[in-house]
Amino acid sequence: QSVLTQPPSVSAAPGQRVTISCSGSNSVMRNDISWYQQVPGTAPKLLIYDTYKRPSGIPDRFSGSKSGTSATLAITGLQTGDEADYFCATWDPNVQSVFFGGGTNLAVL
Amino acid sequence: QVQLQESGPGLVKPSETLSLSCTVSGASISTSYWSWIRQTPGRGLEWIGYISDGGTTNYNPSLKSRVTISVDMSTNHVSLKLTSVSAADTAVYFCARNFDYGASVWHDAFDVWGRGTLVTVSS
Repeated sequence: QSVLTQPPSVSAAPGQRVTISCSGSNSVMRNDISWYQQVPGTAPKLLIYDTYKRPSGIPDRFSGSKSGTSATLAITGLQTGDEADYFCATWDPNVQSVFFGGGTNLAVL
Repeated sequence: QVQLQESGPGLVKPSETLSLSCTVSGASISTSYWSWIRQTPGRGLEWIGYISDGGTTNYNPSLKSRVTISVDMSTNHVSLKLTSVSAADTAVYFCARNFDYGASVWHDAFDVWGRGTLVTVSS
C-alpha cells in the first residue's frame, strides 16, 4: 500500500477546473506536500511546494491545498498542454524519506 | 541557468554495481542539496537519497544498505553508486536539485532535474 494515494486518472474539458487528490495517513499528511507535472518522456516539473506555494514561473492556474488527510492540486482554465501525469510527494521526518504518490494522468478532452 | 546531465552505463549485469554521474552546470554543487530519484512504469517515482551542501547524506531506508551518493567538488559532479543490482533496479534514473528558498531546503521539492538516464539490469 502506497504512503500517498492518488486517483489513476482524471479528465476535464478545456477551460474547466480539475482537482487531483493525494491522500495519506494522519501522520504523513501533517507534513508539507509538493506537486509535480510530468509530460511523458520528460522529467517531472515542480508545480507546488510547501503544500500551497508556487515556484517562480508557475502560473497561478495551479494551486495547492490540504485538509485533513488529503491534499489537493487544482488546475483552472485547463489547456491541452496540461495533459500530463501529476505526482504528489512528501518528506516523512519519522522515516527520513521522501514518498511519491502513484501519479494521476490528466486528460483534457 | 542550472542544468543537470546524467551519464553512465545503460546496461548493468545482475549483482554488479550501478554507477552514475550527474554533471552540474550553472551552479556550484557546494551550495545546494542534490538528490537521486528513479522511475519505473510499475513502481512510479522512488526517491533514492540526497547529499547536502555540507556533505551529509540521507538515503531511502529500503535502499540504504546498497546506496552511496557522493560529490566531486573539483569537477562539479554528483555520483550515485548502487551495489548488488537486480532486475528490480531497472529504471530511469534522475538527478535533481532540492529546492531552497531563503534559509530553508525542501526535502520533497526538486526544482531542477536532469533528463534522466535509462539503466537496464540484465545479463
